[in-house]
Amino acid sequence: AAGVIQSPRHLIKEKRETATLKCYPIPRHDTVYWYQQGPGQDPQFLISFYEKMQSDKGSIPDRFSAQQFSDYHSELNMSSLELGDSALYFCASSYLGQSSYNEQFFGPGTRLTVL
Amino acid sequence: GDSVTQMEGPVTLSEEAFLTINCTYTATGYPSLFWYVQYPGEGLQLLLKATKADDKGSNKGFEATYRKETTSFHLEKGSVQVSDSAVYFCALSDQSGGGADGLTFGKGTHLIIQP
Repeated sequence: AAGVIQSPRHLIKEKRETATLKCYPIPRHDTVYWYQQGPGQDPQFLISFYEKMQSDKGSIPDRFSAQQFSDYHSELNMSSLELGDSALYFCASSYLGQSSYNEQFFGPGTRLTVL
Repeated sequence: GDSVTQMEGPVTLSEEAFLTINCTYTATGYPSLFWYVQYPGEGLQLLLKATKADDKGSNKGFEATYRKETTSFHLEKGSVQVSDSAVYFCALSDQSGGGADGLTFGKGTHLIIQP
C-alpha cells in the first residue's frame, strides 16, 4: 500500500539558512500534519491542513511556515535556521471524511541537521 | 491543555515476559487514544487505537483498553519477543477543533527485550 512520502530524507544546512521540506500524503487523504521530534524527545505537533486550509496550530515557530497545495502535498518552509532546529521532522496524513477520529499515518521523516 | 503521561524507560525484560507500559491522560472533551511504535531510525507506526470508553485496541499480541474512569490506556502483551524492542508512544487526539487536530504524545518508553 502507498505510504506517506517525505523528501528529502536527510538535509544539512548552516545557521541562518533556509530549508524546505516536502510531504506527499497517501492518495485520497485530505489532511496533512507536521511534527518535530528532537533527539530522544516525543514528537511535537507543529501545524495541520485540511483541504488546503490551515486547521490546527501547535508549537510552530514564527520562522516556520507551511502550506498545502491543490494536489494535497504540503511543504514546510523554515527560515533563519538555528542549531536547535536540528531534529527529525515527520509528516502524517489522514482522511477525515472516513471516520470519526483522525487516524494519522506517518512518513519516514526528514532528518535536518543545522551546523 | 491536553497531556499524556507514560512510564519512562528504559524498560528491560527477558524474552517471553509479560509487558505493561502505563499511560494516563488529561484531555478536554472525549479523546481518541493511540499507541505508536518507533523502531530505531524509522518513523512512527500505529500499533493500536481506541475511540470510546471500554474499547479494546489490539494488534500483534498487544492490547490496550480505554478506561475513562481512570483516564488510562495501558499497553500490555503476554509474551514479548526480542523483535518488540523499540520506543512506544502513547498519544491522544481530543478533536475539540473539529477534526484535523494534532496528536499529543507522551515522552515515550524505550523497551529492551533480552534473549
